[in-house]
Amino acid sequence: QKEVEQNSGPLSVPEGAIASLNCTYSDRVSQSFFWYRQYSGKSPELIMSIYSNGDKEDGRFTAQLNKASQYVSLLIRDSQPSDSATYLCAVNNPGNQFYFGTGTSLTVIP
Amino acid sequence: GAVVSQHPSRVICKSGTSVKIECRSLDFQATTMFWYRQFPKQSLMLMATSNEGSKATYEQGVEKDKFLINHASLTLSTLTVTSAHPEDSSFYICSARAGQGGEKLFFGSGTQLSVL
Repeated sequence: QKEVEQNSGPLSVPEGAIASLNCTYSDRVSQSFFWYRQYSGKSPELIMSIYSNGDKEDGRFTAQLNKASQYVSLLIRDSQPSDSATYLCAVNNPGNQFYFGTGTSLTVIP
Repeated sequence: GAVVSQHPSRVICKSGTSVKIECRSLDFQATTMFWYRQFPKQSLMLMATSNEGSKATYEQGVEKDKFLINHASLTLSTLTVTSAHPEDSSFYICSARAGQGGEKLFFGSGTQLSVL
């Protein structure tokens, strides 16, 4: 079983819609959760971090964490073509080891 | 966020030559840095963990004699691909922990290596 699992997609949404990206993790004691955005040919860029259950909003992005169900999600409101990228979910366990999902490819259609 | 600088961004070399990639933490000290490799349309693959002042820890299947890592200071780690071959062509990315307690991971801009 992989530490972090994501649907590889591709996920396509029309411009202005809400994009929903999901991630599950296997280690119940994981403490920190992150979403990275990676454009083609570029390195990952940290866009959201979340540490406690519930929602965390930052501009058009909302991260949601449910530790009981071991899932974390990312919502992108008012999706823009510039949001088209691969989104990586990452989990940091108490041993400070980072585990990455394989990424979900998002395409926002103008 | 913390800034991790990586150079060069792109390198083309002949088969059999060695290539050195530098990774610097610009506004923080990093006792540990990570080196990843990524093939097109594939996920990040952790190659090794670079530890300041001591030997790097390599992931299973990564040849330590081929991928030499040196972490001589708190702000610099280098990865040298020795005797490069076309199959070593890939996107190499370094990263370092930062933030309170080092719980966040920040990436360098990556190095696209092409071996002819």
